[in-house]
Amino acid sequence: NAGVTQTPKFRILKIGQSMTLQCTQDMNHNYMYWYRQDPGMGLKLIYYSVGAGITDKGEVPNGYNVSRSTTEDFPLRLELAAPSQTSVYFCASSYSNSVIYGYTFGSGTRLTVV
Amino acid sequence: QQPVQSPQAVILREGEDAVINCSSSKALYSVHWYRQKHGEAPVFLMILLKGGEQKGHEKISASFNEKKQQSSLYLTASQLSYSGTYFCGTSPATQGGSEKLVFGKGTKLTVNP
Repeated sequence: NAGVTQTPKFRILKIGQSMTLQCTQDMNHNYMYWYRQDPGMGLKLIYYSVGAGITDKGEVPNGYNVSRSTTEDFPLRLELAAPSQTSVYFCASSYSNSVIYGYTFGSGTRLTVV
Repeated sequence: QQPVQSPQAVILREGEDAVINCSSSKALYSVHWYRQKHGEAPVFLMILLKGGEQKGHEKISASFNEKKQQSSLYLTASQLSYSGTYFCGTSPATQGGSEKLVFGKGTKLTVNP
């Protein structure tokens, strides 16, 4: 089992450029999440999805967009990159809601905006 | 509301014990604990549900005090492999829990030989 796979692992963007961070899971999990991690700040939720076709904003959604057309895939789109979006991005999934099921995280994407 | 973790950092010698606390200002339904090694993804350790449950995972256990809205992670006879940053993630008690967690800022644990 691959678990949660994120691509790319590293990326450098120029201000104003766009990119898509890819996330796919092969565990048939319904719930998927995007978090960003900044040094000393913990994990902040950007967007989440409880199933194909359903997405909702998290704590820090500005500057990002998501879609969930299949159970497996949950890409994160950055439209106009800004230096404030320099961070490590983690995708995660869980079988159901966080009450009783733990999250499985991908290995992360380290993004630098210059 | 982000839970507050304490201490921010702790340094141990191999074989020593440590306690990491996670406190919330809101009533909680569940608390998750994760460990993240440098440059890697967080790894799930355990979940505690409201009701004061205590759980164990090898020499790592945790408790959940519903009345105090606090969870504590206990690491006994620490090993070098325990080094990393420990995060708690909380789910509020509204409507029996929520689809998403709010994570604390983390506690960096260093175990030296």
